[in-house]
Amino acid sequence: DAGVIQSPRHEVTEMGQEVTLRCKPISGHDYLFWYRQTMMRGLELLIYFNNNVPIDDSGMPEDRFSAKMPNASFSTLKIQPSEPRDSAVYFCASSLEGYEQYFGPGTRLTVT
Amino acid sequence: GIQVEQSPPDLILQEGANSTLRCNFSDSVNNLQWFHQNPWGQLINLFYIPSGTKQNGRLSATTVATERYSLLYISSSQTTDSGVYFCAVALSGGSYIPTFGRGTSLIVHP
Repeated sequence: DAGVIQSPRHEVTEMGQEVTLRCKPISGHDYLFWYRQTMMRGLELLIYFNNNVPIDDSGMPEDRFSAKMPNASFSTLKIQPSEPRDSAVYFCASSLEGYEQYFGPGTRLTVT
Repeated sequence: GIQVEQSPPDLILQEGANSTLRCNFSDSVNNLQWFHQNPWGQLINLFYIPSGTKQNGRLSATTVATERYSLLYISSSQTTDSGVYFCAVALSGGSYIPTFGRGTSLIVHP
């Protein structure tokens, strides 16, 4: 299996621009997670899906953030408009039945 | 929510030394994983270990769920073991919301 795939790997954008991060989970996995990692706050769970349905989005920092999972093999995390404080590494992870998680390589986002 | 504490926060070793990393958690869990984040930022699964003991080469882990802690043992450390080790847990009987500890930063010198 190719593992969890994320794109882009690096994104540099200006404040106010829309940013879209993409994730392809491991085939057959029914849970998908979006995390954000910063030095100050560590690894934070933003939202997770079960069978393409958002289950808990309490970690989404504000309305500028949205996530979708239109099918079992694709999810997006969108930030609109982006701000410098959104700069972080964003990880996607997937698991089977909510057990062992497998992480993607992450997207390093820089908002200037 | 559940509290996860990892110790020590930082660890510096000479190659060949052994070490023990600890993860304490504040409530009953049915899901516990250890991860290694390498210097390139990749998060690599080490163990899925909600209870019991597992070994994989030079690494082993033990979780005593009734006493709410888990230990990660690294033997004969190598420079490639450098990075940050995270413990992540999820509550028993609750919705699946994993909580990560702050990690143990390990540096292994040659």
